[in-house]
Amino acid sequence: SSELTQDPAVSVALGQTVRITCQGDSLRGYYASWYQQKSGQAPVLVIYGKNDRPSGIPDRFSGSSSGNTASLTITGAQAEDEADYHCGSRDNSDNHLVFGGGTKLTVL
Amino acid sequence: QVQLQESGPGLVKPSETLSLTCTVSGGSISYYYWNWIRRPPGKGLEWIGYIDRSGRTNYNPSLKSRVTISIDTSKNQFSLNLNSVTAADTATYFCARFGGHFDNWGQGTLVTVSS
Repeated sequence: SSELTQDPAVSVALGQTVRITCQGDSLRGYYASWYQQKSGQAPVLVIYGKNDRPSGIPDRFSGSSSGNTASLTITGAQAEDEADYHCGSRDNSDNHLVFGGGTKLTVL
Repeated sequence: QVQLQESGPGLVKPSETLSLTCTVSGGSISYYYWNWIRRPPGKGLEWIGYIDRSGRTNYNPSLKSRVTISIDTSKNQFSLNLNSVTAADTATYFCARFGGHFDNWGQGTLVTVSS
């Protein structure tokens, strides 16, 4: 099955822009979705499809994709954005689903 | 708004079977794919498997030999059985709905494998 690779940790200064990436062969054929998970809480969907946000997700969150890499961008990061971010996608075969290892975002 | 809630023992002994149930409220379980996902301490999310309304299942190859997911549409519930557990199966277990992406999640339940 395919794997999705994320940087373990990223930091950003308050109010600045940060990009979190996710790499994997399956992303050449399927969009990634992105999940924010704060400590002790369930993951929350923040981006899906080409660049869609569920209701209630601030528009500072956006998504993009190129080749085998998907990106989540936070424009003007806020203190409350500090969390783990996970990418997810379908696998290339057998309709399996897969997640990246997660990226811990620190807002300085 | 659909809500999901996990239930089951928080402590399981090594070599025994971990059993959890997810109850779906505010919507029918008759559509979408219904998933189990876990997060071990200090690690990322791991997809365990899903079931649809017809009972068709799909499992993570790394867990397939030990996993069974079942569904009871009359109760709007689906369940996870993971047998022969070890300490490596200690994790927070989530149930979640998938229709192209995971748009609804349960709050999660911590299951510890220990004697």
